[in-house]
Amino acid sequence: AQSVTQLGSHVSVSEGALVLLRCNYSSSVPPYLFWYVQYPNQGLQLLLKYTSAATLVKGINGFEAEFKKSETSFHLTKPSAHMSDAAEYFCAVSLSYNTDKLIFGTGTRLQVFP
Amino acid sequence: GAGVSQSPRYKVAKRGQDVALRCDPISGHVSLFWYQQALGQGPEFLTYFQNEAQLDKSGLPSDRFFAERPEGSVSTLKIQRTQQEDSAVYLCASSPGVGTRARNSYNEQFFGPGTRLTVL
Repeated sequence: AQSVTQLGSHVSVSEGALVLLRCNYSSSVPPYLFWYVQYPNQGLQLLLKYTSAATLVKGINGFEAEFKKSETSFHLTKPSAHMSDAAEYFCAVSLSYNTDKLIFGTGTRLQVFP
Repeated sequence: GAGVSQSPRYKVAKRGQDVALRCDPISGHVSLFWYQQALGQGPEFLTYFQNEAQLDKSGLPSDRFFAERPEGSVSTLKIQRTQQEDSAVYLCASSPGVGTRARNSYNEQFFGPGTRLTVL
């Protein structure tokens, strides 16, 4: 069963525009939620995480995400896109009670146009 | 400091060959994970080690896949009799501790660059 759904495999924005990448999860227990970024030929880098503390989470590079339990969502936003933000973004959830293993969404490729 | 390294970065194998993929985690990291990332997909969990103990191998797709971490540091993922469907990027990640929901804690996973395996 899919635990994380990312809506939109590709998102294109202009430089300076708002970035919104969508993520919805399904979980029978309170989830831990994450956003990772992957640049070409590089490993995944953690942008931010939600682990049941503040629902609005701030991450690196000006990104933030808000956990909304009522909507089962954890959308990633950035007020103003930069060319260097172009990459693949993955939402992930940790559901296991005994390990940190992650379940990833299928990813959203962000393109930023000048 | 050095991050997680993986070797080789690229591997081409003929169908039926055995391959071995190496992961060097960050020194001192207790936990080690392997993930498989097919083209256009997100990474999928394969297996997890805590030190030298393989505590979860629920994601290994078949008995052709085998992983080990004999001294609790370097890990090797071995794939026997490779098939075309094994073509993917294999990612290794390590984390400094054992974060669990039972403890209400989480340890960040640091990912290596991956090994891209192509089976012809």
